[in-house]
Amino acid sequence: EVQLVESGGGLVQPGRSLRLSCATSGFTFDDYAMHWVRQAPGKGLEWVSGISWNSDNIAYADSVKGRFTISRDNSKNSLYLQMNSLRTEDMALYYCAKDTLHYFGVSGSAFDIWGQGTVVTVSS
Amino acid sequence: SYVLTQPPSVSVAPGQTARITCGGNNIGSKSVQWYQQKPGQAPVLVVYDDSDRPSGIPERFSGSNSGNTATLSISRVEAGDEADYYCQVWDSNSDHRGVFGTGTKVTVL
Repeated sequence: EVQLVESGGGLVQPGRSLRLSCATSGFTFDDYAMHWVRQAPGKGLEWVSGISWNSDNIAYADSVKGRFTISRDNSKNSLYLQMNSLRTEDMALYYCAKDTLHYFGVSGSAFDIWGQGTVVTVSS
Repeated sequence: SYVLTQPPSVSVAPGQTARITCGGNNIGSKSVQWYQQKPGQAPVLVVYDDSDRPSGIPERFSGSNSGNTATLSISRVEAGDEADYYCQVWDSNSDHRGVFGTGTKVTVL
């Protein structure tokens, strides 16, 4: 069974840092691009960042560029999101999502498997 | 940045067809995905590459894309189809960043 399990969320003060992790199983992790997608309470989905299978293609939403860093460890079948200089507007449920392809952003690329998410609360 | 616009809500009677639109500048030139999200659950991919369905998704879900509008159609609507639906594309003019639509709440009357 394919599984994505996020962890690392929690309550953090504005300006501080947090590192999210996504442990995966049930598929060949290093065959696929991966993503982080977030959803603020009562709001829609927002793509945050994506990383190709070999980490040579990475992209960020404008809202997090320069503050967040996505990475992966193919030896551990894991995806990460380092979040620095957190703002109240970063408060959301953060999903890890698997892509259908090696590289994202091309025809056929889609988020076919999602985790259940980890909640990030930014408040003083 | 690229913007996708969806109607906030669509209501449909059981057995009828629901059509959800997704508007974007020349969206017909892009590959469109559709996701279903039920309350308290993670999204589920229902259509990718405009009109393809992942395994396990009923044939009742279909997609089309042309000009400035993509459409998700749900035929023979059931109570279990009540959910939020999001369209999604890749912005090739901006590092292939992902872009989601504003979302549409489908209510089954």
